[in-house]
Amino acid sequence: GQQVMQIPQYQHVQEGEDFTTYCNSSTTLSNIQWYKQRPGGHPVFLIQLVKSGEVKKQKRLTFQFGEAKKNSSLHITATQTTDVGTYFCAGPQLPASYDKVIFGPGTSLSVIP
Amino acid sequence: NAGVTQTPKFQVLKTGQSMTLQCAQDMNHEYMSWYRQDPGMGLRLIHYSVGAGITDQGEVPNGYNVSRSTTEDFPLRLLSAAPSQTSVYFCASSKRSGRSLTDTQYFGPGTRLTVL
Repeated sequence: GQQVMQIPQYQHVQEGEDFTTYCNSSTTLSNIQWYKQRPGGHPVFLIQLVKSGEVKKQKRLTFQFGEAKKNSSLHITATQTTDVGTYFCAGPQLPASYDKVIFGPGTSLSVIP
Repeated sequence: NAGVTQTPKFQVLKTGQSMTLQCAQDMNHEYMSWYRQDPGMGLRLIHYSVGAGITDQGEVPNGYNVSRSTTEDFPLRLLSAAPSQTSVYFCASSKRSGRSLTDTQYFGPGTRLTVL
């Protein structure tokens, strides 16, 4: 079945440095979602990308969907301590089902003040 | 709106016991799902439902049952608890837009389950 992988697994950055996490799928995705989970909390939706090559920005966060719709990235500019958490990508497990949403293992971000 | 609620927040079971994790949403969402989260493994889909009376298996369905008799509720039943089911369980809901395309998933606060 489809596998969703994320790298790196962990990232420690100094406050103010940039951060990027990459998401790769073994199969083409119809769409991809990104979530953030703070320590001890629950996942919170950040964004959904649907179109090939799509780029979306949310303040310091930039999300990209690859041209082949098999990979995606999340880039944070000038990290802050509020960015601490685990970032997950997720996508439907095609061709089985649009409704079977599979999550990657996540990238855990630590920000050193 | 309360969003997605889950009960209990914490639970300790002995091996072989059964229990039901409750999940409810008040957003009239058609889609609901259950995930389990284990360290280093992200969230793994257990079961999901696209509407009342319709359920399907996710990645790791063994040992769990679900039913969806109403739009609001989606309980998860552990038939005979095992230590391997020690995990954090999240319920989520979403409206469905377009052709079977799920939208933003809203997660509940989670249930932390320990099986001894």
